[in-house]
Amino acid sequence: QSVLTQPPSVSGAPGQRVIISCTGSLSNIGAPYDVHWYRHVPGSAPKLLIYAYNRRPSGVSDRFSGSRSGTSASLAITGLQADDEADYYCQSYDNTLTGYLFGPGTKVTVL
Amino acid sequence: QLQVQESGPGLVKPSETLSLTCSISGGSIRGDHYWGWIRQPPGKGLEWIASINDIGNTYYHPSLESRATISVDTSNNQFSLRLNSVTAADTAVYFCARDLTGSSAFDLWGQGTMITVTS
Repeated sequence: QSVLTQPPSVSGAPGQRVIISCTGSLSNIGAPYDVHWYRHVPGSAPKLLIYAYNRRPSGVSDRFSGSRSGTSASLAITGLQADDEADYYCQSYDNTLTGYLFGPGTKVTVL
Repeated sequence: QLQVQESGPGLVKPSETLSLTCSISGGSIRGDHYWGWIRQPPGKGLEWIASINDIGNTYYHPSLESRATISVDTSNNQFSLRLNSVTAADTAVYFCARDLTGSSAFDLWGQGTMITVTS
């Protein structure tokens, strides 16, 4: 069982907004340690979308936004597009395990 | 444009040592960044393995620390990972990446190299 939990899948129609949750605990997200979000299409390199909860690297669309509340974090994708179909991972540090952890990933499907 | 590229053997026998190298081009490994290794077993999620900076400060995933060694070679602008006593569970795509913030926000990734542990 993952220390960080994510829904296995979320879906939405083109143009809609979807939210992916990442639930942790007081030893990671709630400590609080930074949360990062990645987009990964199997067979290619993962892409950093959000770092330190809500900061976007240069070149990342503002359709992606991050937030944190307590022991959970969320990634929102607005204006859903067909090429948003991918696996999305959250990541944080855990001070019990003393290491960086990824969530199990959420598959986003565009209907 | 800064790029990173993994290289590895492709196939490794059980109980042997896996050696991987990440070569950096278009920029220097020296500086404020950490550099890391991440893997993805077939059908599974991402797993951070270890990170290092240009002066050799390291940190490891606790479950791999006993078998993994990450090292840096600034003269050749590369860093490496050795993982000993491999088993089938180590079969994965291995990625190297640059840490943007020092908290494992990896912003620049290689394409990955597939490593299969098989006799």
